[in-house]
Amino acid sequence: QVQLQQSGAELVKPGSSVKMSCKASGYTFTSYYIYWIKQRPGQGLEWIGRIGPGSGDTNYNEKFKGKATFTVDKSSSTAYMQLSSLTPEDTAVYYCARYDGIALDYWGQGVMVTVSS
Amino acid sequence: DIQMTQSPASLSASLGETVTIECRASEDIYNGLAWYQQKPGKSPQLLIYNANSLHTGVPSRFSGSGSGTQYSLKINSLQSEDVASYFCQQYYDYPDTFGAGTKLELK
Repeated sequence: QVQLQQSGAELVKPGSSVKMSCKASGYTFTSYYIYWIKQRPGQGLEWIGRIGPGSGDTNYNEKFKGKATFTVDKSSSTAYMQLSSLTPEDTAVYYCARYDGIALDYWGQGVMVTVSS
Repeated sequence: DIQMTQSPASLSASLGETVTIECRASEDIYNGLAWYQQKPGKSPQLLIYNANSLHTGVPSRFSGSGSGTQYSLKINSLQSEDVASYFCQQYYDYPDTFGAGTKLELK
């Protein structure tokens, strides 16, 4: 069965960076885009961008350019997102999700990132 | 960016009732719309895509409709397991944008 297993919660200091992972299983990793979504506590969802694991192609929401960087490791079917220059406004749950060509059909369990000194 | 205005922000309904949630796009999104359900502490799950197509395994009491800038999600015969937040997403144009969500509770 399709699964996206994300890394654990992070507590980080302002100004630092964090890198989270999203390990895919149960399907051909290189055949589907991976999307990254931000959800601030009690808030709605925000599209950060996406990466095509097969091609390495990326698309970023303008708002997150310079903030987020997507990479993949095809050998381990894992997608990564690095967030830099963290501020308290980056405190959120970050989801990876599989794009089936139309919508987001499978989601990871989310990574809670807390930015605090 | 296309703005998605979702209403109501919260909704209280009784078991067995029919509820409707709406999303209005700031421009025509040509049925490029999905609905997701998010239960407390869980990740979102796809319910509807292309405005009116039911995702695999989703109960038939969920349905989507609409066109142009106006879309709606209807839940017939509300069940206790439907208590959740619901979000719409437009994917017609980059960046994808989401509605602010509707929190559905039992009366």
